[in-house]
Amino acid sequence: QQQVKQSPQSLIVQKGGISIINCAYENTAFDYFPWYQQFPGKGPALLIAIRPDVSEKKEGRFTISFNKSAKQFSLHIMDSQPGDSATYFCAASGRDNFNKFYFGSGTKLNVKP
Amino acid sequence: GAVVSQHPSRVICKSGTSVKIECRSLDFQATTMFWYRQFPKQSLMLMATSNEGSKATYEQGVEKDKFLINHASLTLSTLTVTSAHPEDSSFYICSARDRPGSGSTDTQYFGPGTRLTVL
Repeated sequence: QQQVKQSPQSLIVQKGGISIINCAYENTAFDYFPWYQQFPGKGPALLIAIRPDVSEKKEGRFTISFNKSAKQFSLHIMDSQPGDSATYFCAASGRDNFNKFYFGSGTKLNVKP
Repeated sequence: GAVVSQHPSRVICKSGTSVKIECRSLDFQATTMFWYRQFPKQSLMLMATSNEGSKATYEQGVEKDKFLINHASLTLSTLTVTSAHPEDSSFYICSARDRPGSGSTDTQYFGPGTRLTVL
């Protein structure tokens, strides 16, 4: 059973546009929701993370929106740049499960110049 | 801060040999380290969780006798793939978590990965 569902699988955005990636989860015990960016042949790098006590967190061009009642969270990349082209993974973890990360299936973003 | 290194970055070996991969937290102490496996164009699959000074906890379906994990210190964990076969070829990634009380215990910091190719 997939704990975290991520969509879309792939995304093409024009330079300067907004990229939006969505994730949904089932386990209400999850209390930490990070997003990771991964370039080919590299390890994932933490981009931004949020906890359920806030509905939005912004860091530069990256924003997480969190909807606790719907059990959904999303990543918004404003003013998308070709350098943002990478695979993005959402994840969720909870203290009831020793802080194991459950990853989404990933979204391959291609920002066209 | 929060840098995790892996060595080697790439290894090619013959079938039947064993390969050791090191994972180090360079600027923080990690009580918990995780080992993942990633197939091309797929997500990360957790293989095992290792806590410093204790035995690793393996995920269902992961052979603990094949993938030996040792977390001997707060900055080093090793994964040994024993008697490697071509189907073990994959991208192996480790991650590390800060000690409790450091303020960022939930965050996992990932290493750059190790590409294993078994001929």
